[in-house]
Amino acid sequence: GAVVSQHPSWVICKSGTSVKIECRSLDFQATTMFWYRQFPKQSLMLMATSNEGSKATYEQGVEKDKFLINHASLTLSTLTVTSAHPEDSSFYICSARETGPPNQPQHFGDGTRLSIL
Amino acid sequence: AQSVTQLGSHVSVSEGALVLLRCNYSSSVPPYLFWYVQYPNQGLQLLLKYTTGATLVKGINGFEAEFKKSETSFHLTKPSAHMSDAAEYFCAVSGKGQGGSEKLVFGKGTKLTVNP
Repeated sequence: GAVVSQHPSWVICKSGTSVKIECRSLDFQATTMFWYRQFPKQSLMLMATSNEGSKATYEQGVEKDKFLINHASLTLSTLTVTSAHPEDSSFYICSARETGPPNQPQHFGDGTRLSIL
Repeated sequence: AQSVTQLGSHVSVSEGALVLLRCNYSSSVPPYLFWYVQYPNQGLQLLLKYTTGATLVKGINGFEAEFKKSETSFHLTKPSAHMSDAAEYFCAVSGKGQGGSEKLVFGKGTKLTVNP
C-alpha cells in the first residue's frame, strides 16, 4: 500500500529556534501534499495544501511566514516552523495524495509531535 | 461548504458486540466520503471510502459503511468488535480549500473503547 514517511516523529526545542519536518511518499508520486495540525483530543485542522513545483496554498488564519512549506519534488514536502514558540507546540501530520483522478484518498504520515520549551 | 458531524465523541462497546459510529455530512455537491482510524501518536489510516456506485462500502479490518443520501449519513459499522479496534475514528468529506483546491473536512472524531 501507499506509504508516507514523516520525520522526525518527535522533537523538543527551545523557543526561538526553527524546526523542519519532512514528509515523503515512499512508493508513489504525490503531486499534492497536505499539512495538518492536531490539538489534543481534537480533529485535524488543515494548514496548507502543497503542490509540487508551486507555492503552497494556506488556509485562512495560518501564517505563511511562520509555517514555510516547500514541495520540491513529487515525493518530498517540508514544513518549517520558524522562530517557534510554545504556542506552536502541537501534533503535525502530513498526507499525500496519489497522482490520478480527483478525490484519490489521502495517505497520512505518522505525525510529528513538536514541543517548544 | 462541506461539513461533518460525528455523533458521540466517545463510544464504548464490549468485545464481540456490534460497533456503530455515526457520521452525518453536509455537502452542496455529491460527496466523496471517507473513514479514517487513528491509533495513539500515529497518523491516520484509511478504513474505507465512498466515491460513486455501490452505497455499501467495505473496508479493511471488517469495517463497512453505508452511504444514505436521503439521510445525509455515512455510518461506520463492524459486526463484532475486537480489542484492537480501540482507537479514534474520523469521518471526512471532500471539499474545497482556499483557491479551490480539494481538501478533506474532518469530523471531530469518535473515540472507541472496547471492553473485555
